Amino acid sequence: GQQVMQIPQYQHVQEGEDFTTYCNSSTTLSNIQWYKQRPGGHPVFLIQLVKSGEVKKQKRLTFQFGEAKKNSSLHITATQTTDVGTYFCAGPLTGTASKLTFGTGTRLQVTL
Amino acid sequence: DTEVTQTPKHLVMGMTNKKSLKCEQHMGHRAMYWYKQKAKKPPELMFVYSYEKLSINESVPSRFSPECPNSSLLNLHLHALQPEDSALYLCASSQAPQAGVIIYEQYFGPGTRLTVT
Repeated sequence: GQQVMQIPQYQHVQEGEDFTTYCNSSTTLSNIQWYKQRPGGHPVFLIQLVKSGEVKKQKRLTFQFGEAKKNSSLHITATQTTDVGTYFCAGPLTGTASKLTFGTGTRLQVTL
Repeated sequence: DTEVTQTPKHLVMGMTNKKSLKCEQHMGHRAMYWYKQKAKKPPELMFVYSYEKLSINESVPSRFSPECPNSSLLNLHLHALQPEDSALYLCASSQAPQAGVIIYEQYFGPGTRLTVT
């Protein structure tokens, strides 16, 4: 079945450092979404990428969708303690628009 | 209102109990979802309802029984659960995907933390 892997599993940074999580799918994705889950919270939608090679920015967050539409990345510039949480990429199985497969997640810890 | 509500927040039940989880949204979304999430794992899809009809069942054991009474409500009936069913149960909603249209963003509720003893 389709798998969506993320690396690293966990990263601990000092506040102000940059952070990147990578998402790799075993199959081509029609689109990819990113969610953030704070400790003890629920997933919150961040962004959706649709086009091959697409790059989108939200303040300090930069999202990329690979040319082959099988990988994606999230880069955070100058992390803050409010960035703490687990970041999941998620994509629909090809031909099954109702079904999101979540990546394995990257847990980010930020300390002062 | 972009809120999805879930009740109860916490639930402890024995293996012989019957209980129900409830989810409600008022965003006019016609797709609703149940996910199961274990600690430090991603959410795993259980069921999808589209226009109040069950469209996806991810081979979930029959001790979990979903119900969609109307377009705003989603229930998950629980019976004879096992300790390994202890997890966070998340409800989500979205616009209903149309043929040839990219999947829409999902709005998640806060979840019900279930413990089976």
